[in-house]
This record gives sequence, C-alpha cells and structure tokens, in this order.
Amino acid sequence: QVQLVESGGGVVQPGRSLRLSCAASGFTFSSYAMHWVRQAPGKGLEWVAVISYDGSNKYYADSVKGRFTFSRDNSKNTLYLQMNSLRAEDTAVYYCARDSNFRITIFGVVIIGSFDYWGQGTLVTVSS
Amino acid sequence: DIVMTQTPLSLSVTPGQPASISCKSSQSLLHSDGKTYLYWYLQKPGQSPQLLIYEVSNQFSGVPDRFSGSGSGTDFTLKISRVEAEDVGVYYCMQSIQLPPTFGGGTKVEIK
Repeated sequence: QVQLVESGGGVVQPGRSLRLSCAASGFTFSSYAMHWVRQAPGKGLEWVAVISYDGSNKYYADSVKGRFTFSRDNSKNTLYLQMNSLRAEDTAVYYCARDSNFRITIFGVVIIGSFDYWGQGTLVTVSS
Repeated sequence: DIVMTQTPLSLSVTPGQPASISCKSSQSLLHSDGKTYLYWYLQKPGQSPQLLIYEVSNQFSGVPDRFSGSGSGTDFTLKISRVEAEDVGVYYCMQSIQLPPTFGGGTKVEIK
C-alpha cells in the first residue's frame, strides 16, 4: 500500500535552516509528481510546493519562494524540502502528498491533480 | 490566486441525517480540457487529510457511497446522505485549475 513518511521536523530559531524528508513506498515513486502542504497550528491547509516526477519542474508558493528548495532522489524514493531563512510564520505541520495527475500542457500550463495520498506530517516550530 | 469560500464554518448533525457543505470559487474551475478541477478532502481529528472526491463528483477509492459531490463552474456542494460518527472532522474543498492550488477555509462537522 502507498506509504509516505515525513521526518526532519523540530524546533529551530528564526533565520536558521531545516531539511525535511519524505520517504515513499508502495508505488512507482519516479512516476508521480509530489507536493508539500502545510498546516499552521489550528489553521487550514496551505500548499507549499510541487515537484514533477523527474524533478525537472518545481513550483513554489509565493510565501516560500526563494527560501525553500524542493528536490527528490528517485533512486532512494525520497523527497526533500530544504527550508532556509525560517520565520515564525513557517511554523506548521508539513505534509507530503502524491499528485494523481500532474502534467504540463503543450502551452506550458501546469495542471495539478488530486492529492490522493498524504503522509502523517512532521511538525516544524520556528521560535527563539 | 483563486479564493475558495466554504460555508458553513461548522455543522452539527444528528447521526443518520444528511449534511451539505458549499464551496464557491472566485473563478471558474472548468478547464478547456473539459474537466473541472475541484476536490474535497476530510481531515479527521488528529489525522492527515484524506481525499474524498475528485473532479467535482468522482468518489476516491474506498470512500463510502454516502459521500457525493456536485456542482459546476464556481459553485460546488459536498453532500453526506446519512452522517455517521466516523464522518466528524474538517472538510476542505480545493481547486487545482491554476497555480497555486488553494483550499477553502474548512467546514467542521460535529455529531449532535
């Protein structure tokens, strides 16, 4: 069965860095685009970033652009989210999720599919 | 960004009774490919979100038949025909026709 397991969360001071990982199993990882979605304590869901199946295309929310870097290692079935210059407002549970039907049209339009499987999440707390 | 507005914010339902959640988008979610990119998720207490409905009205694998989705353009509805205790949680709609994908604010469903 599809499994996504996040790790790497913790408490970090503002301005510092943290790297999250998401280990995938139970499906052909290299065939799927993947996402990070976060949820601040007591708040709703916020999309963070997507990476295409081969890592060649990445898109970020404006709130993290230039600070976060999304990558993947298909040989290890693992995603990474490098988070730099962390801010208090980055405090959240970070989920990785699989995209059921990501594609880029011939016109360069990005189509996101459903997030059909999610991990259990890892908590990042940015505090001094 | 496309704004997704859900109503009501919360719902208290007697077991066995129906429930309905509305989701409105600030732009049409109908793509030129004919698909409408609207999804419904449920986040049960203490759990990660789970997919219920994709492309307006298609049930994801394993989702009970009591969940159904409908709508078009900018107006969408999730219906639970007979609420059960296990349906408690926060329901979110999401659009993905345009980056960034955006979620509604959520509707909390409780059992009376």
